[in-house]
Amino acid sequence: DAKTTQPNSMESNEEEPVHLPCNHSTISGTDYIHWYRQLPSQGPEYVIHGLTSNVNNRMASLAIAEDRKSSTLILHRATLRDAAVYYCILRGYSSASKIIFGSGTRLSIRP
Amino acid sequence: DTAVSQTPKYLVTQMGNDKSIKCEQNLGHDTMYWYKQDSKKFLKIMFSYNNKELIINETVPNRFSPKSPDKAHLNLHINSLELGDSAVYFCASSQGGLRAPNQETQYFGPGTRLLVL
Repeated sequence: DAKTTQPNSMESNEEEPVHLPCNHSTISGTDYIHWYRQLPSQGPEYVIHGLTSNVNNRMASLAIAEDRKSSTLILHRATLRDAAVYYCILRGYSSASKIIFGSGTRLSIRP
Repeated sequence: DTAVSQTPKYLVTQMGNDKSIKCEQNLGHDTMYWYKQDSKKFLKIMFSYNNKELIINETVPNRFSPKSPDKAHLNLHINSLELGDSAVYFCASSQGGLRAPNQETQYFGPGTRLLVL
């Protein structure tokens, strides 16, 4: 699977939008872009995924660049509960059901 | 009505002991996984079972043996525990059986914190 690059950490203010970037310049055509997050002392939790088009769900939005070499996870209105490590993951068909986690972005939220 | 549950939540034991961690999912999924998160917080897959059959076996010492008595359960048995086995172990499950497994969502348990003294 292609690698992803994320900032080690980010800070944001409560009730403001948060844009978490991810670079994946070696993405292949069949790689899906997944985002998971891990709240303190909990297991990872699915956030969103997409292939080419932007995606929205109740948790977040995923904006995918036209060339697919980067993507951005958008939390529209951050709460203290959104403080977590956010993982951007590429999942290729050849890796089947395996998820390869990187080091992620540690998001802190200021009250 | 926890979707993926693990027992115990904490496990403190001596080096050389044998211990088991249990995992159960009530989502009706066909595929289950074990992941290890070390002290540096890196999460790595260890094993995966689909319908009780081993489908992923990463480079894990033979001291680790997964057992799946049925598709709702995947237990992890560890023989001769070593200090380096101290970590948080996460169980996960996914629906399985889809033609595009790279689209599947995995649901993780709360983790078992293992400390080997």
